[in-house]
Amino acid sequence: QKEVEQNSGPLSVPEGAIASLNCTYSDRGSQSFFWYRQYSGKSPELIMFIYSNGDKEDGRFTAQLNKASQYVSLLIRDSQPSDSATYLCAVKLTGGGNKLTFGTGTQLKVEL
Amino acid sequence: EAGVAQSPRYKIIEKRQSVAFWCNPISGHATLYWYQQILGQGPKLLIQFQNNGVVDDSQLPKDRFSAERLKGVDSTLKIQPAKLEDSAVYLCASSSTPQGGGREYFGPGTRLLVL
Repeated sequence: QKEVEQNSGPLSVPEGAIASLNCTYSDRGSQSFFWYRQYSGKSPELIMFIYSNGDKEDGRFTAQLNKASQYVSLLIRDSQPSDSATYLCAVKLTGGGNKLTFGTGTQLKVEL
Repeated sequence: EAGVAQSPRYKIIEKRQSVAFWCNPISGHATLYWYQQILGQGPKLLIQFQNNGVVDDSQLPKDRFSAERLKGVDSTLKIQPAKLEDSAVYLCASSSTPQGGGREYFGPGTRLLVL
C-alpha cells in the first residue's frame, strides 16, 4: 500500500465549476497535510496546508481533512483554465524527520 | 527575495558518466532538500540537510549518489556512475522552519536525461 494515494486523472471540469481533488494516506499518525500545484515543466508550489480536522479556506481553495477516514481533499471553486495543472498531495509522517511524502498527483483540466 | 537557484537547468549524459547539480537556497533557510521526480510521479526525497548536517538520507542510493552542503549554504548532488533510470528532474527545496517539513520553496529543477 502506498503511503499517499491520489487518482492520477485526468480530472476534467468545465470552467466555473468546482473541482474536487482527493488524497488518502496510510499512516494514522500523520500530522500535517499539504497541497502543491505543479504546472507542466515547472516546480511544485505550495497552495495550502492543513493540520486539524475540518475545513480551511483560502480564496477559491478549500482544504478538508478527516483524520478518522485518513482522507484529505482540495476543492477549487470557480475553476479557471489557469488552474489546469497537476495537484500533489503531501503528508508529513510521524517520526519521519519532518520530511514530506508526496502522492503521484492528480492532473486537472479546466475546459472552456 | 530571491528564490532557490539551481544549475544546470538541463543535462544530457551517457550512462556510466558522472554528473553534478548545484543548489543555492533562499538566504537564511537552514533546511535544504534534494528530491528526485520521475515523469508521472511525485517528488521523492533523496536527502535532507539541516545547516550542514544530514537529517535524512534513507532514500539516497548511496552506491552512486552523494550530496554535500558545505558551510550550511550551497549544496551539490552528484551521481557517479549514472544509470538510465536516473533520468528525472532533480529538485532542490529549502525551508526556514527549524525542522523543515511543509512550507518548502522549490527551485526550478534540473532535468537529467541519461542515454
